[in-house]
Amino acid sequence: QQQVKQSPQSLIVQKGGIPIINCAYENTAFDYFPWYQQFPGKGPALLIAIRPDVSEKKEGRFTISFNKSAKQFSLHIMDSQPGDSATYFCAASMEGNTPLVFGKGTRLSVIA
Amino acid sequence: DAGVTQSPTHLIKTRGQQVTLRCSPKSGHDTVSWYQQALGQGPQFIFQYYEEEERQRGNFPDRFSGHQFPNYSSELNVNALLLGDSALYLCASSSGGFGGELFFGEGSRLTVL
Repeated sequence: QQQVKQSPQSLIVQKGGIPIINCAYENTAFDYFPWYQQFPGKGPALLIAIRPDVSEKKEGRFTISFNKSAKQFSLHIMDSQPGDSATYFCAASMEGNTPLVFGKGTRLSVIA
Repeated sequence: DAGVTQSPTHLIKTRGQQVTLRCSPKSGHDTVSWYQQALGQGPQFIFQYYEEEERQRGNFPDRFSGHQFPNYSSELNVNALLLGDSALYLCASSSGGFGGELFFGEGSRLTVL
């Protein structure tokens, strides 16, 4: 059973565009929703995370939007750059109690 | 400040063999989690070690085992390797069990022939 469903699988945007990656979860007990960025040959690195008490969180060019009733959250990358080309994973957990459950990832390519 | 370090970075084994992967957590961290990342997939939780004990385990067979040492470093052992065990094995460290941010190493790429 896939607990976190991520879409799209891949995404190509022009430099300066705003890619949006979506995730849906099933377990209403999840209370921690991070996004990880992974470059080829590297391990995932935490980008930004949100908890369900807020609907939006922004850090630099990265924004998470969270819809608790729909059990969905999404990542927006403002003014995307070629250096943002990477694979992005959403994840979820019951913080402090359970391991992170990851989505299958979205391969983002930002072309100049 | 050294981050999470894993060894070896790459290795090739044949079916039926055994493998040991090693992980040193980030300085100040006492918890190590292991994840398996198949090609084109997200990481899948194998197990977590905290205070030298396996605290939680994902849906992996007993062929996967581990250990944590008093210095918090950890090993992942896989016995009777199958072709399907080919993957990137990621170690992640954190502080105090499941709480706190996970810091991942660069992984050990295992190929089973």
